[in-house]
Amino acid sequence: GAVVSQHPSRVICKSGTSVKIECRSLDFQATTMFWYRQFPKQSLMLMATSNEGSKATYEQGVEKDKFLINHASLTLSTLTVTSAHPEDSSFYICSARRRGHNSPLHFGNGTRLTVT
Amino acid sequence: AQSVTQPDIHITVSEGASLELRCNYSYGATPYLFWYVQSPGQGLQLLLKYFSGDTLVQGIKGFEAEFKRSQSSFNLRKPSVHWSDAAEYFCAVGAGDYKLSFGAGTTVTVRA
Repeated sequence: GAVVSQHPSRVICKSGTSVKIECRSLDFQATTMFWYRQFPKQSLMLMATSNEGSKATYEQGVEKDKFLINHASLTLSTLTVTSAHPEDSSFYICSARRRGHNSPLHFGNGTRLTVT
Repeated sequence: AQSVTQPDIHITVSEGASLELRCNYSYGATPYLFWYVQSPGQGLQLLLKYFSGDTLVQGIKGFEAEFKRSQSSFNLRKPSVHWSDAAEYFCAVGAGDYKLSFGAGTTVTVRA
């Protein structure tokens, strides 16, 4: 079946540094990728929608200058948390789907970000 | 605006017993409805989905869900729970663009 690989699975960084998270579709071309944030014991909150070759669409309240999303190819989207702060510590999950009506959504295994 | 309510935060069930997880949604049109399962520290796995047609949907791992438009519900059921079913379960609603809204999740604990 379709696989979405997310890397790294865990990352610890110091406050003020930037962290890049990669989301790859391994065996299909992902025309759309979504990035979510999940706080402990809470639901997934959609951060942004990323379409290949165009700018990401951010949800209300998500700082686009802080959470940089790039979808440069049909198999790769990246989320960069810039100038990270402890409050950015969270579980980040990506999902991807190929073009087509009702084509399914496939999730990565998430990235646990801890900012110290 | 679309939204999902999962009234039960935590459910404990005995192995072999039946399980039902509740989901109520708010959506302006005919919704796309999903149930996902998440193991600790992992991403989400799709259990089943409803787009149209038969309102009783069969999924993987022996799960099924029934869409009831009159009640705005999409409850998940399993006749006999296995210990491996212990996980977090999320109901989600959306449309063809797959911009999904997720419920807060229900944690299922299975006791021997």
